[in-house]
Amino acid sequence: AQSVAQPEDQVNVAEGNPLTVKCTYSVSGNPYLFWYVQYPNRGLQFLLKYITGDNLVKGSYGFEAEFNKSQTSFHLKKPSALVSDSALYFCAVSLMNTGFQKLVFGTGTRLLVSP
Amino acid sequence: EPEVTQTPSHQVTQMGQEVILRCVPISNHLYFYWYRQILGQKVEFLVSFYNNEISEKSEIFDDQFSVERPDGSNFTLKIRSTKLEDSAMYFCASSGQGSVQPQHFGDGTRLSIL
Repeated sequence: AQSVAQPEDQVNVAEGNPLTVKCTYSVSGNPYLFWYVQYPNRGLQFLLKYITGDNLVKGSYGFEAEFNKSQTSFHLKKPSALVSDSALYFCAVSLMNTGFQKLVFGTGTRLLVSP
Repeated sequence: EPEVTQTPSHQVTQMGQEVILRCVPISNHLYFYWYRQILGQKVEFLVSFYNNEISEKSEIFDDQFSVERPDGSNFTLKIRSTKLEDSAMYFCASSGQGSVQPQHFGDGTRLSIL
């Protein structure tokens, strides 16, 4: 069965500094990986996905993620954090290559960007 | 940008009562999902729906749960006889045609069972 681990409950970073939110996955086949962000009292917003090809994926709001097959990781990064990036971030994995995707989520990492 | 909308935003129900959570997916999407998030825990897959039938369901989605697309726009989740442990945030999502399309989520319905 597939699973996702987000080892940090919270990440603190100062505004303007680079940020990294970690994610590792475990699947038996080729993974499809996603990052979502959740603001208070809102649903999950899609940030980016990795399907195949270039290991560095660029997404919304200046976020990017690096797929590393040997380390089974898909860390979320941003070169310069904004206070408005403070939110809950979820990594998710799917094995399905069809239109239907059953997403398995990590436990989430709270990102706190201080001014 | 089109959105997935869910109603109500908060539902309070007595244990044992039936509850229906409603969702309007993005209009040209073909795949529909329900997830739930118990307070402080991760988001869990409940069920997926395509072409008017369930594609896959989790072990959480037992006989007390059902889904329906009663018309061309709504997608509902019914819990027949609610339990205290059904208290959670329920998210509807939809995705479009094509391989590995991202799911778009609604803002959720907070279900509180008393």
